[in-house]
Amino acid sequence: KAGVTQTPRYLIKTRGQQVTLSCSPISGHRSVSWYQQTPGQGLQFLFEYFSETQRNKGNFPGRFSGRQFSNSRSEMNVSTLELGDSALYLCASSLRGGAGTTDTQYFGPGTRLTVL
Amino acid sequence: DQQVKQNSPSLSVQEGRISILNCDYTNSMFDYFLWYKKYPAEGPTFLISISSIKDKNEDGRFTVFLNKSAKHLSLHIVPSQPGDSAVYFCAARTSGTYKYIFGTGTRLKVLA
Repeated sequence: KAGVTQTPRYLIKTRGQQVTLSCSPISGHRSVSWYQQTPGQGLQFLFEYFSETQRNKGNFPGRFSGRQFSNSRSEMNVSTLELGDSALYLCASSLRGGAGTTDTQYFGPGTRLTVL
Repeated sequence: DQQVKQNSPSLSVQEGRISILNCDYTNSMFDYFLWYKKYPAEGPTFLISISSIKDKNEDGRFTVFLNKSAKHLSLHIVPSQPGDSAVYFCAARTSGTYKYIFGTGTRLKVLA
């Protein structure tokens, strides 16, 4: 069974640009979550999608947005990039997700975004 | 406000000995806790979890302990192996949500 895949793996952008990251969950998984990892901050939750609906959202500005398609693939978009957006962006999928469930989140390898 | 804290950024342990990684939290609404291991250039890998209704969960060499009164979580690895060298993250979920809060990680180095 293929794992969670993320594309691209590495990305360099300049301030003010926008970027779209892609995540393909494990086959059959319907919940996709996004996290930002920066040195010293650990993993910060961005948002979670299930059946094309955003169910949970972290404390990030509106420049960070996402969506999920009918095949559960998800994209994350960051507009008007800032230097502080440089980070590793991780995607995780699980079967159902949702409050009360304890199904395991499986992470992809991440997309390393550098903003110059 | 860091609701999940891993106060030790790094830890070195001799092979064969016990590794103890600690995690403190502040939110009493957390109902589910997890530990992840992360190697460089890879995403985190799930290790073990514990529900807030339990105080201990074991899986092979890994045991997680939960002390709700102290709001403290620990991961014990016995015996430690060089392949365990990685960054370990603890995470907690708020009851009623699917939002996980992660700590900043502890880098474990197991010395051969």
